[in-house]
Amino acid sequence: NAGVTQTPKFRILKIGQSMTLQCTQDMNHNYMYWYRQDPGMGLKLIYYSVGAGITDKGEVPNGYNVSRSTTEDFPLRLELAAPSQTSVYFCASSYSDSNYGYTFGSGTRLTVV
Amino acid sequence: DQQVKQNSPSLSVQEGRISILNCDYTNSMFDYFLWYKKYPAEGPTFLISISSIKDKNEDGRFTVFLNKSAKHLSLHIVPSQPGDSAVYFCAASYNDMRFGAGTRLTVKP
Repeated sequence: NAGVTQTPKFRILKIGQSMTLQCTQDMNHNYMYWYRQDPGMGLKLIYYSVGAGITDKGEVPNGYNVSRSTTEDFPLRLELAAPSQTSVYFCASSYSDSNYGYTFGSGTRLTVV
Repeated sequence: DQQVKQNSPSLSVQEGRISILNCDYTNSMFDYFLWYKKYPAEGPTFLISISSIKDKNEDGRFTVFLNKSAKHLSLHIVPSQPGDSAVYFCAASYNDMRFGAGTRLTVKP
């Protein structure tokens, strides 16, 4: 009964480094999402996917890339990390559209120094 | 632009009393509204939702009220319990889901 699993839980990056945040779900959900949460702010949508092979930009996609080669996995790639990308990142999934509520992972806390 | 706003960063209530968390939105195209609850070091968990065609939805101790003319929704928790202490996010969806900044609820024994 894993739900949505995110790795790593914590990471410190130096400016200019790159990394991939992993997200996998075992509920056979078609829809998957990446959000970031900055202090005192709501969650902001970075990218989303409505199925394998299909991805689209959200509200704040700059500096990130995603891929969706399988239903289960939706990794988020950071290229050339910047201090502005210091945030908590949440991956989520849902069966269809958002009306049923999302299942979130426990988050990845990323610090760029 | 922040389309979903939770203007109270925090709320403290006594155990057994009612907790009322408020949320305002600006986009009249939103057709579904949701509340999520978040404990520290965990992801948000879905709590309750309401369609824009309804004005009330109840689930146990939790009731969500929607006032479309005022573009306002609220979450009522009755009676409040110490285990309800968490951050509550309001969310609204149309093509995608937009979240408020959250309200930290503390229920004191």
